[in-house]
Amino acid sequence: EVQLVESGGDLVQPGGSLRLSCAASGFFVSNTYVSWVRQAPGKGLEWVSLLSSGGRPYYADSVKGRFTISRDSSKNTVYLQMNSLRDEDTAVYYCARGQGASDYWGQGTLVTVSS
Amino acid sequence: DIQMTQSPSSLSASVGDRVTITCQASQDISVYLNWYQQRPGKAPKLLLYEASTLEIGVPSRFSGSGSGTDFAFTIESLQPEDSATYYCQHYDTPGFIFGPGTKVEIK
Repeated sequence: EVQLVESGGDLVQPGGSLRLSCAASGFFVSNTYVSWVRQAPGKGLEWVSLLSSGGRPYYADSVKGRFTISRDSSKNTVYLQMNSLRDEDTAVYYCARGQGASDYWGQGTLVTVSS
Repeated sequence: DIQMTQSPSSLSASVGDRVTITCQASQDISVYLNWYQQRPGKAPKLLLYEASTLEIGVPSRFSGSGSGTDFAFTIESLQPEDSATYYCQHYDTPGFIFGPGTKVEIK
């Protein structure tokens, strides 16, 4: 059964850092596209980052230079390292599988940036 | 950059009604358009991909059509469990572009 489980969300001060994890089961992250999508409170979905099956990362302009996506194939886990966090990064962060369409999503992890 | 718009932003309909949501792309995206359902407090769920192909396990009352810049999503015979927000989404290098969403409420 395919499953994605996010973790690592927390309350962090502006300027701080956080690393989110997306643990996958039922498929291999090393040969699949995995994305991070976020949703600010009461708002719509916003794509954040994507890691291709070949290992190439892509980022939304809003996070470029601050966030880094990576994976550990031995742990079958995708990470999102978030630095220089801002108030507007407050959101539920979802990881999702798929290149064109995301057929499996995790339950989300809440990141709150506040002093 | 491609922009996605949806209308209406919200609607209220009765059980059994036929509901249609439209999604428009700012440029030709062929059929590379997906539809998701998101219930409150839950992760999005893929309903249709490539404009009109139903994801496995999704009820047949959901359907999609369109190509190029104009797309439609229809729920035939609205059910209570269809109360949710629906998003269209296009994939374009380097990432996903979501529409703003349409909130569907049951009268």
